[in-house]
Amino acid sequence: AQSVTQPDIHITVSEGASLELRCNYSYGATPYLFWYVQSPGQGLQLLLKYFSGDTLVQGIKGFEAEFKRSQSSFNLRKPSVHWSDAAEYFCAVGASRGSTLGRLYFGRGTQLTVWP
Amino acid sequence: DTEVTQTPKHLVMGMTNKKSLKCEQHMGHRAMYWYKQKAKKPPELMFVYSYEKLSINESVPSRFSPECPNSSLLNLHLHALQPEDSALYLCASSHKTGVRQKNEKLFFGSGTQLSVL
Repeated sequence: AQSVTQPDIHITVSEGASLELRCNYSYGATPYLFWYVQSPGQGLQLLLKYFSGDTLVQGIKGFEAEFKRSQSSFNLRKPSVHWSDAAEYFCAVGASRGSTLGRLYFGRGTQLTVWP
Repeated sequence: DTEVTQTPKHLVMGMTNKKSLKCEQHMGHRAMYWYKQKAKKPPELMFVYSYEKLSINESVPSRFSPECPNSSLLNLHLHALQPEDSALYLCASSHKTGVRQKNEKLFFGSGTQLSVL
């Protein structure tokens, strides 16, 4: 069965600093990986996704993520954080080809706090 | 229009009440989903509708009853809920379910914050 681990519950960075949020997945085949962001009381917004091909994926708001099969990781990065990036970040894995797109398994989330 | 609209945004109900949550999209998506998210927890899939037919029920208690009356609308009927059912209920939609393509995307609504007293 697929699962996602986000080892950091809470991360605090200063505005302008670089950011890396960790995500490790467990899945037997090629995974479909996603990063979502959620502001308090809001729905989830897709930042980026990996289906296949280039292992470095560019997303919205200046985020990128790198798929590393050997490490079963899909870490999210941003070179310079803005105060508006403060939110909860969820990594998710989707089931294999042919399965339901919306059947996502989410990690527990990482809360990002940004200091001015 | 690239939105999934959920109403109401907030709902407080007693354990004997009957209420419904509504979700609407006009993107022509044929797959719609209900997720439940408890505070400080990740979202968990409840139901999946594909072409207006229920395709996945993740062992959800019968006090939650989904309905998909047409391709744009998804309801979640609530009856005899328990306080532990208090959560953010998220609706989502995607173009289709069974074929995974690079341009496929799941669109989430802002959710209904439900409190059961």
